[in-house]
Amino acid sequence: EVQLVESGGGLVQPGGSLRLSCAASGLTFSYFWMSWVRQAPGKGLEWVANIKGDGSEKYYVDSVKGRFTISRDNAKNSLNLYMNSLRAEDTAVYYCATMSNFRFDFWGQGTLVTVSS
Amino acid sequence: QSALTQPPSASGSPGQSVTISCTGTSSDVGGYNYVSWYQQHPGKVPKLMIYDVTKRPSGVPDRFSGSKSGNTASLTVSGLQADDEADYHCSSYAGHNNPWLFGGGTKLTVL
Repeated sequence: EVQLVESGGGLVQPGGSLRLSCAASGLTFSYFWMSWVRQAPGKGLEWVANIKGDGSEKYYVDSVKGRFTISRDNAKNSLNLYMNSLRAEDTAVYYCATMSNFRFDFWGQGTLVTVSS
Repeated sequence: QSALTQPPSASGSPGQSVTISCTGTSSDVGGYNYVSWYQQHPGKVPKLMIYDVTKRPSGVPDRFSGSKSGNTASLTVSGLQADDEADYHCSSYAGHNNPWLFGGGTKLTVL
């Protein structure tokens, strides 16, 4: 059974930084593109970033380019999202998700990031 | 790029059918057959229901079906059941530079 467990969320001040992690199990992690998708309170889903299985390709939504960095450690079956210069509009539940063939197959439970002074 | 457009709400009585639309452009929904739909119950994790416009993952009832015409994709839920009450989100591949778009979500109410 595929399991994705996010961690690292919390309360941070505007302009601050945070690192999110996602621990994966039950799959051959290095085979999969992985994504971060976020959901602001009461809002829809928004794709944030994704990374190829070997880490060689990374893509970001325009609103986080230059501020967020996605990375992975295939030896540890882990996915990370480094978030800098955080803004109030980054407040959301952040989900990690596996990707295969242009769809988000499996989702973690999410971790809440709140950006507020 | 803007998010895909979904109606904020939809409703139907048990046993009826309801269709939820997802409108994009020729650069996303209309340009690729990579539309997917996700069901999200309140406080829960999104679940993949439809991918590649019309395909169902194993375990998803055939009461759920997808289609596309031009720049608009649709999700139809037939034989509505109480447990179908949830938010439904569409997503489409949108090309190399900004690859993934989601809709704003549609709250489906079973009356």
